[in-house]
Amino acid sequence: QKEVEQDPGPLSVPEGAIVSLNCTYSNSAFQYFMWYRQYSRKGPELLMYTYSSGNKEDGRFTAQVDKSSKYISLFIRDSQPSDSATYLCAMTDSNYQLIWGAGTKLIIKP
Amino acid sequence: NAGVTQTPKFRILKIGQSMTLQCTQDMNHNYMYWYRQDPGMGLKLIYYSVGAGITDKGEVPNGYNVSRSTTEDFPLRLELAAPSQTSVYFCASSTQTGGTEAFFGQGTRLTVV
Repeated sequence: QKEVEQDPGPLSVPEGAIVSLNCTYSNSAFQYFMWYRQYSRKGPELLMYTYSSGNKEDGRFTAQVDKSSKYISLFIRDSQPSDSATYLCAMTDSNYQLIWGAGTKLIIKP
Repeated sequence: NAGVTQTPKFRILKIGQSMTLQCTQDMNHNYMYWYRQDPGMGLKLIYYSVGAGITDKGEVPNGYNVSRSTTEDFPLRLELAAPSQTSVYFCASSTQTGGTEAFFGQGTRLTVV
């Protein structure tokens, strides 16, 4: 079993829809939780990160962490074609090494 | 501000050949990393460095070597290339490990035939 599970998709939704991207993890020692966005043929770039359980909002993006369920989510409101990318979740273990999900490919249809 | 620069962007190698993937960063970051990304597999850490002169193995180090003689540069050496090393390679840097933002280069697409 992988330490971090993430559905690779693709997830295809119409423009303007609310998108929900999720990861589950097995290691309760994970501390920081991050979402990276990766456009095609580019390197990943940090979108959001959080340390504790709860919600964190940044514009149209909301990151949610539920440590009791070992589940994190990224919500995108009013999705735009420019949001089409692969979204990777990442978490730090007790040695502060990043453990990555496989990434979910998101397609926003105009 | 260039950030993290990787060269080359693309390369085709024959089985058994060797090559060096170059990575340089201009942000004065102590931490640098090499990852490989295979389809549907996420990012796997090959090697990392916490500062000049210090390197350590990651999850998948076999077949690779690194050196860190300066803060800016972190080259990755492939010896005796094998088809299993066909992948996209990313170099990244950060001010600290783990809980801070990692900045990535644009990647090197390597095919071994």
